[in-house]
Amino acid sequence: DTGVSQNPRHKITKRGQNVTFRCDPISEHNRLYWYRQTLGQGPEFLTYFQNEAQLEKSRLLSDRFSAERPKGSFSTLEIQRTEQGDSAMYLCASSLVLGQPGNQPQHFGDGTRLSIL
Amino acid sequence: SQQGEEDPQALSIQEGENATMNCSYKTSINNLQWYRQNSGRGLVHLILIRSNEREKHSGRLRVTLDTSKKSSSLLITASRAADTASYFCATDAEDGGSQGNLIFGKGTKLSVKP
Repeated sequence: DTGVSQNPRHKITKRGQNVTFRCDPISEHNRLYWYRQTLGQGPEFLTYFQNEAQLEKSRLLSDRFSAERPKGSFSTLEIQRTEQGDSAMYLCASSLVLGQPGNQPQHFGDGTRLSIL
Repeated sequence: SQQGEEDPQALSIQEGENATMNCSYKTSINNLQWYRQNSGRGLVHLILIRSNEREKHSGRLRVTLDTSKKSSSLLITASRAADTASYFCATDAEDGGSQGNLIFGKGTKLSVKP
């Protein structure tokens, strides 16, 4: 399967713990995006990378959140000192951007569902 | 904040009927995309329509775009039970907004009964 892969699929943790998610994009894709989706809502943008450079971060991405894409391939999203409100599905997507960025479909993984107890 | 708003929020039809979902957005755009999401899964890209296009077809899907009204519609013809999913419209932002990330609506939950 050469699609976007996310691990783990589910994560249950206690409030105050740190969690880390991993995303492996489609191998030739240069852009990688993180979104958060809560029940009954559409995905909300968190951040994106062009190769290894993090080019934009949403205001939703508080200082407890950090994302990396060290070699321009896989990415990790870490949440420190988790709170109840962090419970959501965290989606990763990738795309190949050669020209106009907005004109490319994004390929999504199946997400990591985070539950904070 | 979310740019698009889908209408209706939920739609229930019988297999074989057509399903129409609408999307309205607020700012100028370069393109609009439609995605499908099955329960507990990621989003699957269905179709992209550029701001200079008015209509686009892909199999049983027909998308229209009216930039003067800032609205789009997705028509699924001859629906099947397997079309049961949530459908989202997503836009980029032409007017100096983000470069490439998508802004999603809340989605329409479609249920197709066999």
